[in-house]
Amino acid sequence: DAGVIQSPRHEVTEMGQEVTLRCKPISGHNSLFWYRQTMMRGLELLIYFNNNVPIDDSGMPEDRFSAKMPNASFSTLKIQPSEPRDSAVYFCASRPGTANSPLHFGNGTRLTVT
Amino acid sequence: AQSVTQLGSHVSVSEGALVLLRCNYSSSVPPYLFWYVQYPNQGLQLLLKYTSAATLVKGINGFEAEFKKSETSFHLTKPSAHMSDAAEYFCAVSDLGAQKLVFGQGTRLTINP
Repeated sequence: DAGVIQSPRHEVTEMGQEVTLRCKPISGHNSLFWYRQTMMRGLELLIYFNNNVPIDDSGMPEDRFSAKMPNASFSTLKIQPSEPRDSAVYFCASRPGTANSPLHFGNGTRLTVT
Repeated sequence: AQSVTQLGSHVSVSEGALVLLRCNYSSSVPPYLFWYVQYPNQGLQLLLKYTSAATLVKGINGFEAEFKKSETSFHLTKPSAHMSDAAEYFCAVSDLGAQKLVFGQGTRLTINP
């Protein structure tokens, strides 16, 4: 079990550029979550998917953010255009589709927007 | 809607001393409760979980937590702190009807030699 794999680990970009974060969940897990972590706001749930379908995107900050899950083994989180306030660590997590199952987190992508 | 409150954003203890990290939850139905640990530059790792079986739950690295319904609490303890326990700890709640996990703000644990 390779765990949840996120890429890149670090991303530095300039304001206005498009940023794409990638996630490969654990095989067999049918729920996938995107979180953002900052010092000020802690861990925020951005969006989650069940069986590749977005269920709740109420945490997505603005229209500049979008997420897709084209198949069970891949998801992307895109920011276009990026802004300095988007700087944070973005985590992807997956789990089997039951509420009492724990989330398995990737190591995160540290995004810096200058 | 569920929510979690972690009392104390920073806790500092001496090596060998008792560790107590506090978590109170709010849930309208029987909850599922979790403690996670985050080491620097890593994702969150599961320490332990409560899913309505035994109220005293044992986890990894010598940690345990007790579910107290009357107090709506799920505090994390470890009898003797080790330097390697220095990390950030998160309490989280979900329930049978909810699909998402709600996290507390985290408690940063520092161990003094």
